[in-house]
Amino acid sequence: GAVVSQHPSRVICKSGTSVKIECRSLDFQATTMFWYRQFPKQSLMLMATSNEGSKATYEQGVEKDKFLINHASLTLSTLTVTSAHPEDSSFYICSASKSSGVRGYNEQFFGPGTRLTVL
Amino acid sequence: GDSVTQMEGPVTLSEEAFLTINCTYTATGYPSLFWYVQYPGEGLQLLLKATKADDKGSNKGFEATYRKETTSFHLEKGSVQVSDSAVYFCALSDRWEGYQKVTFGTGTKLQVIP
Repeated sequence: GAVVSQHPSRVICKSGTSVKIECRSLDFQATTMFWYRQFPKQSLMLMATSNEGSKATYEQGVEKDKFLINHASLTLSTLTVTSAHPEDSSFYICSASKSSGVRGYNEQFFGPGTRLTVL
Repeated sequence: GDSVTQMEGPVTLSEEAFLTINCTYTATGYPSLFWYVQYPGEGLQLLLKATKADDKGSNKGFEATYRKETTSFHLEKGSVQVSDSAVYFCALSDRWEGYQKVTFGTGTKLQVIP
């Protein structure tokens, strides 16, 4: 159990277009979903955290209007990169969290990632 | 704020060699600690975890012990295989303003040669 999928796995788009990435928890209900960005040979940087039905909480330095997050249900979150530019090219990874029953500990399950290339 | 420091790579080992990847952390609360592995072109997979001091996480021959006194969570494996070649991330999870937040280290690339 605890499988998270992302779609698409790879996308190439032209500069100025918008791209939507889906993140789904396939066999559990996720209380919280997270979006990360990974630059080549670097660690994951948390972009935002979202709970179903409420606005996402963005990390400092992340543009809310640029990276739109919608958490439509307990199994689906979407990240839309608006008016994408080459500097937005990156590996985007989502994760989903469900309560583990242990106080203060909610394990995150990661999706396989989406490679975005903006030409 | 929370932070994770792990040894820089890449680490190159011969098959069956002993592996240690160092990881230390700073946290304000009582975090859970993790090691994640990322194979080329893929997302992260949880390798092992420990949720409190002195816990030992283990999986697929890898081990790490939560050492609160030294704020460390070093990853070890007695005999590495070529298939262990990947990037390994140390991470901690702590409550931050009411929600769970995971802080990752910069990753250590491991290359195992036959």
